[in-house]
Amino acid sequence: DSGVTQTPKHLITATGQRVTLRCSPRSGDLSVYWYQQSLDQGLQFLIQYYNGEERAKGNILERFSAQQFPDLHSELNLSSLELGDSALYFCASSVESWARDEQFFGPGTRLTVL
Amino acid sequence: AQSVTQPDIHITVSEGASLELRCNYSYGATPYLFWYVQSPGQGLQLLLKYFSGDTLVQGIKGFEAEFKRSQSSFNLRKPSVHWSDAAEYFCAVVEYGNKLVFGAGTILRVKS
Repeated sequence: DSGVTQTPKHLITATGQRVTLRCSPRSGDLSVYWYQQSLDQGLQFLIQYYNGEERAKGNILERFSAQQFPDLHSELNLSSLELGDSALYFCASSVESWARDEQFFGPGTRLTVL
Repeated sequence: AQSVTQPDIHITVSEGASLELRCNYSYGATPYLFWYVQSPGQGLQLLLKYFSGDTLVQGIKGFEAEFKRSQSSFNLRKPSVHWSDAAEYFCAVVEYGNKLVFGAGTILRVKS
């Protein structure tokens, strides 16, 4: 158990819908990262937040957005969902935002878009 | 942009045999390199990491990896594989800031 929790574990929805994925980092960790794992794209970095502020952005679609709240939990919002958004979405956290900081991964949320 | 190549999509080894998973990276300076393992239905767990110094690094579960700058490689090894090692293994490098760039992964199957 990494100490990072993600809810829900599974999500099934239809095209065009909007969903919210939630992540609680390890106690004391200030950084939260979101990654997408799909069969065709592999594991890709989406976005990072540090202490409530966006720190880095990767290949995140405009239909996706995220935020980190004052209690440091984070939410990833996916809208106008398409079949291709079906994937496993991981959240990770680290103590700070240094390259050497180990990222601890949650168990993931499996999103299925029908 | 940095990239990571794991040339082997699948590898099958017998229990008790040695294992080597290959990883090549592209990066100009000294990279920060990681190996993660993902068991079915689980998140990723860090096996080991390399930042600088001794090029042979030890990790958890009996794994080790060797950084070879001349070959741009960071191969993962284990002298004797156990059935519980069956999983998918990812090599990763840190890009600017601390976003991880992953390879495509290698699925390890262990036969008894």
